[in-house]
Amino acid sequence: EDKVVQSPLSLVVHEGDTVTLNCSYEVTNFRSLLWYKQEKKAPTFLFMLTSSGIEKKSGRLSSILDKKELFSILNITATQTGDSAIYLCAPDSNYQLIWGAGTKLIIKP
Amino acid sequence: GAGVSQTPSNKVTEKGKYVELRCDPISGHTALYWYRQSLGQGPEFLIYFQGTGAADDSGLPNDRFFAVRPEGSVSTLKIQRTERGDSAVYLCASAAGRTDTQYFGPGTRLTVL
Repeated sequence: EDKVVQSPLSLVVHEGDTVTLNCSYEVTNFRSLLWYKQEKKAPTFLFMLTSSGIEKKSGRLSSILDKKELFSILNITATQTGDSAIYLCAPDSNYQLIWGAGTKLIIKP
Repeated sequence: GAGVSQTPSNKVTEKGKYVELRCDPISGHTALYWYRQSLGQGPEFLIYFQGTGAADDSGLPNDRFFAVRPEGSVSTLKIQRTERGDSAVYLCASAAGRTDTQYFGPGTRLTVL
């Protein structure tokens, strides 16, 4: 059975801190892994990772995939209050996204 | 349109009633997905359309749930004889094609009393 585990479930840090969010997965027919940010209702796309070891960056956010150990991490540096959200990872298993429960990140001013 | 839209944004109904939730995808997107998200969980896949046809409906929990996309654009998720356990946020996403990034609508929060 496909499984996605995100950790930690929740995290509270102060503005300016760096955070690392983890996603481990076991899915059949793996194609890629996606990260989304969910602030209110609609998840917004962050990254799609298909190859191991290649870091994707967007501003203060970066992410990397390890297809051998079956995990991905999402890093956020110099966090801001606007980074407060739930971060979801979703491996693509044969064109179907299998979603983790998310990490709830709270940034305190 | 500029993005995926969903109506209504909130729906409160009584147990046993019928509800319809609407999704307007991004113009030109052929792939459309419905998900259900309960509090504290990630989205749960319900059904995927490629064009007008339901290419994968394996996530529909039972036969009370049905979805259509008659012209390959707007989709309607229909729930018959609603139960309290159906309460959740129903999310719709569209993509240019099956292998492309999914873009989500704001969701419909369904509450069954």
